[in-house]
Parts: sequence; structure tokens; C-alpha cells
Amino acid sequence: AQSVAQPEDQVNVAEGNPLTVKCTYSVSGNPYLFWYVQYPNRGLQFLLKYITGDNLVKGSYGFEAEFNKSQTSFHLKKPSALVSDSALYFCAVRDTAGGSYIPTFGRGTSLIVHP
Amino acid sequence: EPEVTQTPSHQVTQMGQEVILRCVPISNHLYFYWYRQILGQKVEFLVSFYNNEISEKSEIFDDQFSVERPDGSNFTLKIRSTKLEDSAMYFCASSEARTSGINEQFFGPGTRLTVL
Repeated sequence: AQSVAQPEDQVNVAEGNPLTVKCTYSVSGNPYLFWYVQYPNRGLQFLLKYITGDNLVKGSYGFEAEFNKSQTSFHLKKPSALVSDSALYFCAVRDTAGGSYIPTFGRGTSLIVHP
Repeated sequence: EPEVTQTPSHQVTQMGQEVILRCVPISNHLYFYWYRQILGQKVEFLVSFYNNEISEKSEIFDDQFSVERPDGSNFTLKIRSTKLEDSAMYFCASSEARTSGINEQFFGPGTRLTVL
């Protein structure tokens, strides 16, 4: 079975500071991991994914995420936050050992970047 | 940039009524999905659709739900007899067919369904 957890409902950070949005997962096999962002009144937009290879994945808008197999984590990071990064962020995981091709999404973390 | 569109943006209906939510996926995509998000809760998978048939569905997708691709562009979700607990944001998504499961999904803006 696959599951994903986003332990923080909300993350607050000052503009210009680094940000981290946490995600941990549980799978039987290997994970495919995704991050999506949702702006108000918009659908989820794909940011980045980890399938295999380099543990540090770079994505859209300057975001990156680090796959850590030992900690079963895939935290989203950005070196310098912008006010425009304020949005809802979703982590998703698909278990390669499962029979489903459908990822499981987390509850979402609201990122608020203060000017 | 191509995008998934959904109509209406907000649907209000009475309990027991039928609703049809409409989606136009990205034109060269072949996999289609419906998700829902109850306010404050996680995004939940409902159903996936490929080659004119359901490929996967969740426990939520019971006999009250159905999906259809009536023509070459639209993808619809029908709820036959709505319940109060069906109130949620419904998202349509599509993805390329290269290799299902590793391709990212492209989501529409959602339809907010309110059942009174």
C-alpha cells in the first residue's frame, strides 16, 4: 500500500529566506514521487518528480526536492522564497510494487511567504 | 500552453438531483482522471479512463458515479443522485500515454459542487 504524509498544515517564511515543505511516504516497492502546487481558483500544477537517478530533482519556478530513501522523505525546497510562491503544495507518491498506476496525494501544505 | 478546462466552475444542486461535470482534457493526452477534494481534506482519486473504458476506480466511485467520453474532446463525470457528502471540488486531469504512472498529470481548475 502507498501513503504520503505532509506533517505541516501551514508553513510561514519571510521573503528571501529559504523554504522547506516536508513530505514523507510509505511504499512496498520503489516510489515515484511528485510535487504539485495549487494557486487560488486554479487546478494543481506539476512542479517536479522523482522517478530514478539523481536524488536532487530540480523543477519549475526554482523549486527542487531531495529524495532520501533512508528517511523515506521527499522535501520540497527553494533557496529564496518569493511572495508569489504563496500557495497550496501537494506531495504525491506511486508505489512501483503496487498494481495501481494512480498516485496518492497528501493533504497539502499551505505556504505563506511574508513580504 | 495547452491546459485542461472544466465547466461549470461552480454548481449548486439539490440533494437527489443528477449533475454532470464537464472537462476538456489536453488534446493529445489519452489518459483521463477525476479527483475530488472535500474542503480541507486531501485530494482523493475517483477514476481513471483510457481507450474509452475505466482503467481504475476507487471505493468512492460507486454506482452513483459514471464517466463518459461522448465525443473526441469532452470527458464527463455524472453523479446520478447527489448526496450532501458529495459536496467537494472536483478536478479533472489528463496525462500522456507514453508510460502510465510516471507521467505527471495536468489538472483543470476544478468544479466546486455544492449539494443543498
